[in-house]
Amino acid sequence: NAGVTQTPKFRILKIGQSMTLQCTQDMNHNYMYWYRQDPGMGLKLIYYSVGAGITDKGEVPNGYNVSRSTTEDFPLRLELAAPSQTSVYFCASSFGAGSGYTFGSGTRLTVV
Amino acid sequence: KNEVEQSPQNLTAQEGEFITINCSYSVGISALHWLQQHPGGGIVSLFMLSSGKKKHGRLIATINIQEKHSSLHITASHPRDSAVYICPEKLTFGTGTRLTIIP
Repeated sequence: NAGVTQTPKFRILKIGQSMTLQCTQDMNHNYMYWYRQDPGMGLKLIYYSVGAGITDKGEVPNGYNVSRSTTEDFPLRLELAAPSQTSVYFCASSFGAGSGYTFGSGTRLTVV
Repeated sequence: KNEVEQSPQNLTAQEGEFITINCSYSVGISALHWLQQHPGGGIVSLFMLSSGKKKHGRLIATINIQEKHSSLHITASHPRDSAVYICPEKLTFGTGTRLTIIP
């Protein structure tokens, strides 16, 4: 099983550029999440989805957008990248709210 | 919002020692996860439990719903156990416990 696949693994963006972080899971999980982790800090929830067509904001949604057109995919869009968005981004999924998480390997993003 | 208090924040121990990491919550919980983040950044789900105790190898997790408390124990600790251990409550993650096992 591939689990949760995130692409790319590394990316450098210039201020003002846009990009999409891809996340795909093959476990038929209903719930998907995007977190960011700044150096030395815990994970902060950006957006989450409880099923296809449904998305909700987390703690730090500003500067990001998501969509969930299929159960498998949950892309995260950064518009007008800013240095404050330099972070490691993790996608995760779970079958339900009380189920165990599966995490992707992360995307290290640097905005210069 | 449920506040998560994890202790200790940092723990250094000698190889072979018995390790205990604790999580307490300000509001009632129904279940929680224990996660492990390796030095390289990868995150692995260790346990999800809603009552009693679970064991996987040298790792044991316990939960007391009434006392709003959970513990993670590591027996016969090894340097490869060095990692950050996190007990999120639903969607809220703390900074975790940074464990370092010295050979």
